[in-house]
Amino acid sequence: SQQGEEDPQALSIQEGENATMNCSYKTSINNLQWYRQNSGRGLVHLILIRSNEREKHSGRLRVTLDTSKKSSSLLITASRAADTASYFCATDAWGGGSEKLVFGKGTKLTVNP
Amino acid sequence: EPEVTQTPSHQVTQMGQEVILRCVPISNHLYFYWYRQILGQKVEFLVSFYNNEISEKSEIFDDQFSVERPDGSNFTLKIRSTKLEDSAMYFCASSAPTLVSPDEQYFGPGTRLTVT
Repeated sequence: SQQGEEDPQALSIQEGENATMNCSYKTSINNLQWYRQNSGRGLVHLILIRSNEREKHSGRLRVTLDTSKKSSSLLITASRAADTASYFCATDAWGGGSEKLVFGKGTKLTVNP
Repeated sequence: EPEVTQTPSHQVTQMGQEVILRCVPISNHLYFYWYRQILGQKVEFLVSFYNNEISEKSEIFDDQFSVERPDGSNFTLKIRSTKLEDSAMYFCASSAPTLVSPDEQYFGPGTRLTVT
């Protein structure tokens, strides 16, 4: 089964608009993390939300987690051209003993100036 | 702000050659990881390392792969005999964990490995 599937696969918006990306997963988790990757570059950690949390904010980022639906969303408000990147969710398995992250395929966000 | 560093940024090697990818994790972190990302595909877990031993490895991490923490700062991934399909971006990551941020994994910029 696939873990951490994001949608949409690609999203194109105008600067100033909000961008919402979704992630679904199949197994129980300890936490879910969102990462950003600029083209051909490394992964930048954005935010971690634990399984007992429902919402978390960091600057222009807002993450929600619905464990009953096994889904999460990442909202970027007032987007900027510099937000253009691919965004990935990554989950780790519930139960401890494993720190392995399972990544989705990502959403490619383009913010047009 | 502390960060994970990786060298080299790009490595080109011939099929069958050995390569060593190097990483310097964040200094007070305890868990270390290698992931890889084949062009256009998902980031995939390879191996995790804690207390000087492998704690978990994926099916990808076969006998051709090994990891080592030769001193207090470096963490290396060795591929003994590279194959064309090993061409990928390899990411090192580290995490504390601590009570404050138990599971955040911080990634390095990656090493792009090209096997010809």
